Amino acid sequence: NAGVTQTPKFQVLKTGQSMTLQCAQDMNHNSMYWYRQDPGMGLRLIYYSASEGTTDKGEVPNGYNVSRLNKREFSLRLESAAPSQTSVYFCASNLGPNSVYEQYFGPGTRLTVT
Amino acid sequence: AQKITQTQPGMFVQEKEAVTLDCTYDTSDPSYGLFWYKQPSSGEMIFLIYQGSYDQQNATEGRYSLNFQKARKSANLVISASQLGDSAMYFCAIKRGQAGTALIFGKGTTLSVSS
Repeated sequence: NAGVTQTPKFQVLKTGQSMTLQCAQDMNHNSMYWYRQDPGMGLRLIYYSASEGTTDKGEVPNGYNVSRLNKREFSLRLESAAPSQTSVYFCASNLGPNSVYEQYFGPGTRLTVT
Repeated sequence: AQKITQTQPGMFVQEKEAVTLDCTYDTSDPSYGLFWYKQPSSGEMIFLIYQGSYDQQNATEGRYSLNFQKARKSANLVISASQLGDSAMYFCAIKRGQAGTALIFGKGTTLSVSS
């Protein structure tokens, strides 16, 4: 039982390049989330998917797109990377929108945009 | 809108002592949940404890307890008998209203435990 996995762990991009961050969970969770963590800012929600087939914007969605590929997988795409998107990206999941249970986090992806 | 405030950027404690990490929140929802997570230097996010707004008793999980004072809108984390391994960043978070169970996080408190 791997929990929440993210690939890649590290990535360096040049301004204007695109990439997709992958996330998968094997806990049969309905809801999945993408956060970014910047120094001194805590974690901020980028996008979330309350259930398979739905996605919604969070606090900081600009410059990102997401795809809930199936119940297990939730990807985050940067179409044209900018230095302001240098951050650590965390994927998380939990049982569902009405669940009080905690979110389980992946190990994070450290992205640098030069 | 929900908001979490953690006013202590850094805290220092000696081994075996207890420490309280402060968290105040703001929400207009009558039903909400509060969470504490630990982030060690390795970077992963580790769930510690949860308190529901209607829970009558303060939550406890081993050495962690949550001092929930609803009237003051505070949800402080108490770590008893600190250990060197408790050195980490600690985040308080609140369930983000109607948007599923996405969380709004505070900026965190760095705890340093010395021997």
